[in-house]
Amino acid sequence: LAKTTQPISMDSYEGQEVNITCSHNNIATNDYITWYQQFPSQGPRFIIQGYKTKVTNEVASLFIPADRKSSTLSLPRVSLSDTAVYYCLVGDEVTGRRALTFGSGTRLQVQP
Amino acid sequence: DVKVTQSSRYLVKRTGEKVFLECVQDMDHENMFWYRQDPGLGLRLIYFSYDVKMKEKGDIPEGYSVSREKKERFSLILESASTNQTSMYLCASSFGRENVLTFGAGSRLTVL
Repeated sequence: LAKTTQPISMDSYEGQEVNITCSHNNIATNDYITWYQQFPSQGPRFIIQGYKTKVTNEVASLFIPADRKSSTLSLPRVSLSDTAVYYCLVGDEVTGRRALTFGSGTRLQVQP
Repeated sequence: DVKVTQSSRYLVKRTGEKVFLECVQDMDHENMFWYRQDPGLGLRLIYFSYDVKMKEKGDIPEGYSVSREKKERFSLILESASTNQTSMYLCASSFGRENVLTFGAGSRLTVL
């Protein structure tokens, strides 16, 4: 079973708000939700992390409902440079140790 | 800033060769991870380590081994490289129980 589920791809235009939702039905009680951005030929980089309700930083907002079984990354007023793959990450217990396993990610294409 | 350095950006090896991919982080992180990334498959966890001389299998450990003799260094070993191990390999590190990973730039391995 996939630990996280995201849409495979999304399209947007410059200046629009983009919301990417991730499902994580089996998230552990003490686990955080973390989002990453990846450009071609680079490693992913951290965008934002949250545990519940809403978190905002200079790049994005993260909305987490009370049941924490999903989360939504919100990118305000996207630009062409936001074209990338976005991953959500939650922990996964493996023989008592926490593995960090990514889902397939969402490929965001921003057009002019 | 935490730096994760992968020793080789591009490698070309022949089938059957032994391959070492080195990863060094400079911020005293306990946790280190090796992922491979292939088109359409996202990031897949190969091995991870939460302490020196400790290792845990991820989702796809077959054909790989790892070594962590020092806290700052985590090596991925392909004992006998095969063409299906042609991929981008990404090393990452993190602190404590956080899900905030810092990635290296990646090592693109081609096995002929």
